Amino acid sequence: GQNIDQPTEMTATEGAIVQINCTYQTSGFNGLFWYQQHAGEAPTFLSYNVLDGLEEKGRFSSFLSRSKGYSYLLLKELQMKDSASYLCAVRVYSGGYNKLIFGAGTRLAVHP
Amino acid sequence: KAGVTQTPRYLIKTRGQQVTLSCSPISGHRSVSWYQQTPGQGLQFLFEYFSETQRNKGNFPGRFSGRQFSNSRSEMNVSTLELGDSALYLCASSLESRSGGNTIYFGEGSWLTVV
Repeated sequence: GQNIDQPTEMTATEGAIVQINCTYQTSGFNGLFWYQQHAGEAPTFLSYNVLDGLEEKGRFSSFLSRSKGYSYLLLKELQMKDSASYLCAVRVYSGGYNKLIFGAGTRLAVHP
Repeated sequence: KAGVTQTPRYLIKTRGQQVTLSCSPISGHRSVSWYQQTPGQGLQFLFEYFSETQRNKGNFPGRFSGRQFSNSRSEMNVSTLELGDSALYLCASSLESRSGGNTIYFGEGSWLTVV
């Protein structure tokens, strides 16, 4: 079956660095996405990894290891507005098309 | 470039009624997916349409259905509403290519409350 695991909740301090992990067991892996979702709002795209390694985009970085079925999202210089849920989603290719499978999300609370 | 547009944003329905939600994808996007999000379940995949054809379906009862029109706009319908159908319904669109390098963009969602 297809399975994605990420921690349910995390807390961090403003200005600090936090790493949100995601492990997956899927077949037909074809990329991994990270989305940010504030309460009551739609998920917004943060990053995409399809090859192993680190993708950096401002304060946010995402890492992928396909052999380990592992990814993490790194948030630096945390701000209060970073308090949100972070969704890990794996794209799998099967039957001629892509399908996106989401993890349950990690709720991050940033404290002053 | 306009984003994914969903209507209505908020609605309240009574048990037993039916509801239709609409989604207009980003211009040029032919793939439209629907998700249900509830506090305890996270994002659950409903179905995906591509060029007016349903390509994939999640594990939801037959009360949940959808369709896509020739202009890529999509609708989903829920019949015989139950209290448990109260959720945020999200639509997402993407260009979709075999390379898999296309990002999926979400609309603001439709908040459905069943009373």
